[in-house]
Amino acid sequence: SQTIHQWPATLVQPVGSPLSLECTVEGTSNPNLYWYRQAAGRGLQLLFYSVGIGQISSEVPQNLSASRPQDRQFILSSKKLLLSDSGFYLCAWSVGDEGSFGQGTRLTVV
Amino acid sequence: KQEVTQIPAALSVPEGENLVLNCSFTDSAIYNLQWFRQDPGKGLTSLLLIQSSQREQTSGRLNASLDKSSGRSTLYIAASQPGDSATYLCAVSQGGSEKLVFGKGTKLTVNP
Repeated sequence: SQTIHQWPATLVQPVGSPLSLECTVEGTSNPNLYWYRQAAGRGLQLLFYSVGIGQISSEVPQNLSASRPQDRQFILSSKKLLLSDSGFYLCAWSVGDEGSFGQGTRLTVV
Repeated sequence: KQEVTQIPAALSVPEGENLVLNCSFTDSAIYNLQWFRQDPGKGLTSLLLIQSSQREQTSGRLNASLDKSSGRSTLYIAASQPGDSATYLCAVSQGGSEKLVFGKGTKLTVNP
């Protein structure tokens, strides 16, 4: 069966520091991968999606970037965090109608 | 641009009550619609998936309906329990890479 791992679960980072959140999927091949963000009082917003290695599409202009170095690995990064980057970040995978979400990372930028 | 709206934003009911959560979307050209459950600080759990050609899906005490032409879906929860307390999210996919557009959710509290 497919599983998705996302870490860390919580993170507190100072403004201006770098960020790296990692997501890996097991039990499937060539999944679509997604990064979503849920900011306080707002719905889930798609940040990036990837249909294959090295293929990244950005949905919202922002201070973040994503990379897919391997088929089942998706990384969310920032060179310098802003206060507005605080939120709950969710990674997800899908293949056809199958898919699931990671447990999320609560990022607080202070 | 697809927009998804969920009403109400929050709902508090006594245990045992039947309830309905509403979801509407602006572009009826959807591939499918999903209802998710989110517990505080956790990821999402998919509850029901309705394909664009379907009218409803049922799982246990949950029933979701879809009226694509009017851009509406409802999630019916029968005989609610305190364990049903969570935020319920509606999301639509418009195909392609199956990107999901989410509503802001309905926060449900079921009081014992």
